[in-house]
Amino acid sequence: QVQLVQSGAEVKKPGASMKVSCKASGYTFPNFHIHWVRQAPGQGLEWMGIITPTTGGRSYAQRLQGRVTMTRDMPTSTVYMEVSSLTSEDTAVYYCATEISGTGGFDLWSQGAQVTVSS
Amino acid sequence: QSALTQPASVSGSPGQSITISCTGTSSDVGSSNLVSWYQQHPGKAPKLIIYEVNKRPSGVSNRFSGSKSGNTASLTISGLQAEDEAEYYCCSYAPSPNTYSFGSGTKVTVL
Repeated sequence: QVQLVQSGAEVKKPGASMKVSCKASGYTFPNFHIHWVRQAPGQGLEWMGIITPTTGGRSYAQRLQGRVTMTRDMPTSTVYMEVSSLTSEDTAVYYCATEISGTGGFDLWSQGAQVTVSS
Repeated sequence: QSALTQPASVSGSPGQSITISCTGTSSDVGSSNLVSWYQQHPGKAPKLIIYEVNKRPSGVSNRFSGSKSGNTASLTISGLQAEDEAEYYCCSYAPSPNTYSFGSGTKVTVL
């Protein structure tokens, strides 16, 4: 089954770091970029960054530069995203997504993972 | 790198057509054919409905169509149906600096 499966919900303290995972299955993992997108409560979608599995090349949203790091593990077809110095504004549902049909659009999404930052 | 501008809400009666605009700049929408549109129902992950400005993925109704002129992309929903009631987001690639931006989102209401 073609899918992206994320790690579960997390609760973090302000100032801490979070690391979420996204495991791909059912397709050739190296062939497609993985994007990270988040959605704060009642808000719109925010693109966070992209990682290319084959090379590990990454590009991040400008406003998150310095706080976000994306990595990948080829043997397990898993990508990770770490966000540091968390504030309440990082409370959101985090998604990973890919362009599995080579369409230039994000056509395969994960189920989403809720991350709550609260003291 | 700012969010693309969309109207907050658009409404229409069943059977009517509506159009949602997505305004960016010459650095994103105006210089890229990687403009896509997503439909999101409450509590669900977004669903791709248009890619590369005007192409539909397999399985997406032909009532959805996309276009672009200059720095503004548009999504048209024809023959509006109750199931079309959802939030819609545009997304554009910006070649420099190799990033993407989503639109602010448009709530579509079927009257």
